[in-house]
Amino acid sequence: AQSVAQPEDQVNVAEGNPLTVKCTYSVSGNPYLFWYVQYPNRGLQFLLKYITGDNLVKGSYGFEAEFNKSQTSFHLKKPSALVSDSALYFCAVRDIGSARQLTFGSGTQLTVLP
Amino acid sequence: SAVISQKPSRDICQRGTSLTIQCQVDSQVTMMFWYRQQPGQSLTLIATANQGSEATYESGFVIDKFPISRPNLTFSTLTVSNMSPEDSSIYLCSVEGGGTSGDYEQYFGPGTRLTVT
Repeated sequence: AQSVAQPEDQVNVAEGNPLTVKCTYSVSGNPYLFWYVQYPNRGLQFLLKYITGDNLVKGSYGFEAEFNKSQTSFHLKKPSALVSDSALYFCAVRDIGSARQLTFGSGTQLTVLP
Repeated sequence: SAVISQKPSRDICQRGTSLTIQCQVDSQVTMMFWYRQQPGQSLTLIATANQGSEATYESGFVIDKFPISRPNLTFSTLTVSNMSPEDSSIYLCSVEGGGTSGDYEQYFGPGTRLTVT
């Protein structure tokens, strides 16, 4: 079975500071990893993915994430946070060997303070 | 990426009634997924819908409660039957991206916010 953990329900960061939203995963095989963002009263928007290749992947809106196989982590990062980045962030995993279902983490509410 | 629309965007329903949610995609896709999300919480997969076959339901979800139709490669419906207040939630459909090699991410519709009174 596959699972995802987002250990922080809430992350607060000052505007202009770097931000990190943490994610760890568990799969039986090799993972496909994803980050999504959800703004209030909106659907989920895809940010970035790791499938294979470089461990550092870049996505939309200046976000990036680093895949660390030994630590089974896929933390989301941004060098300089904006107030408009405030939203609910979800990490998701799919086992390459499984059917196409995604398993989502519990979500992390990011608040960027002006 | 696929563009997905859902109808209705929101509804308030009385307990004991049923609501059918429609999901339309702007391209042909093999698999469509239905999720439930309680406000501010994570997504839970209800079922996977392939065109031309019965939907596959996740543990805790049954066809009698959440019947799904998938009549063609661009459309699906989810019905929430015999509703109770516990069914109040956001229902989202999604598809796997694009169909081209390497597009493993899923794209989501805007969701249907259901309130059962």
